[in-house]
Amino acid sequence: SAVISQKPSRDICQRGTSLTIQCQVDSQVTMMFWYRQQPGQSLTLIATANQGSEATYESGFVIDKFPISRPNLTFSTLTVSNMSPEDSSIYLCSVGTGVYNEQFFGPGTRLTVL
Amino acid sequence: AQKVTQAQTEISVVEKEDVTLDCVYETRDTTYYLFWYKQPPSGELVFLIRRNSFDEQNEISGRYSWNFQKSTSSFNFTITASQVVDSAVYFCALSDNRDDKIIFGKGTRLHILP
Repeated sequence: SAVISQKPSRDICQRGTSLTIQCQVDSQVTMMFWYRQQPGQSLTLIATANQGSEATYESGFVIDKFPISRPNLTFSTLTVSNMSPEDSSIYLCSVGTGVYNEQFFGPGTRLTVL
Repeated sequence: AQKVTQAQTEISVVEKEDVTLDCVYETRDTTYYLFWYKQPPSGELVFLIRRNSFDEQNEISGRYSWNFQKSTSSFNFTITASQVVDSAVYFCALSDNRDDKIIFGKGTRLHILP
C-alpha cells in the first residue's frame, strides 16, 4: 500500500488563526479524502480532494472554512481557517486504491485550538 | 441510506480472553464493501480487512477472525487470546458501489487488561 505522510503531526493554535495541513503520498493516486475526528468521536468525511478541480464538500463543510488544494496526484493540503476551540480534532487524509473502495490513512494531524 | 452500528461503546477483557466486536450495517445496495480499522492510542488508522458483499466466506488472520452474515447484516470481528497490544478503538465501516466514500461506525473502545 502507499506510504502517506502528514505535516504537521500536531499543533497548538490560537483562536482566529489558520493552519494548513499537508498530505504527501509516495505514489500517484486518483482519490484523496480529508476527514475530521473530533475528540472521542468517529471519523467524518470533510471533502474529496479532486486533482485539477475544486474539492467536493460534504454537507456541513464549506470551502471558506476548509479550503483544499490538490495540485497533483501525490499531494493535497487542507486549511482550517479562522479557527475556534470547536475545531480541535484529529485531521486525517486518506487515499483510495481504486480497488473495492479501499482507503488507507495518513498518520493524522492532532490540532488543539486555544 | 447507509448506516453502520457498533452497539458496544467500550469493552474490557482480561488478557488471553477472546472478545467479539459487533457490527451491524444497513444499505439498499446489493454490491457493497465492509471494512474494519484499528486506531491505537497513537491515533493512526490501521486497515485490517475488507470484505465484498458477494463473498460471504469468513476469514481468519492469526488471532483475528471475521464473521460476515448477510442474512443478519452483520460483520463481526473476533480477537482470540487477546493481548494488551490489542487495546485500541476499532471501527467498522461501509462503502457501496455508487461512489468511493466510506462511512464509519462510532467505534468500539477495547481495553485489554493485563
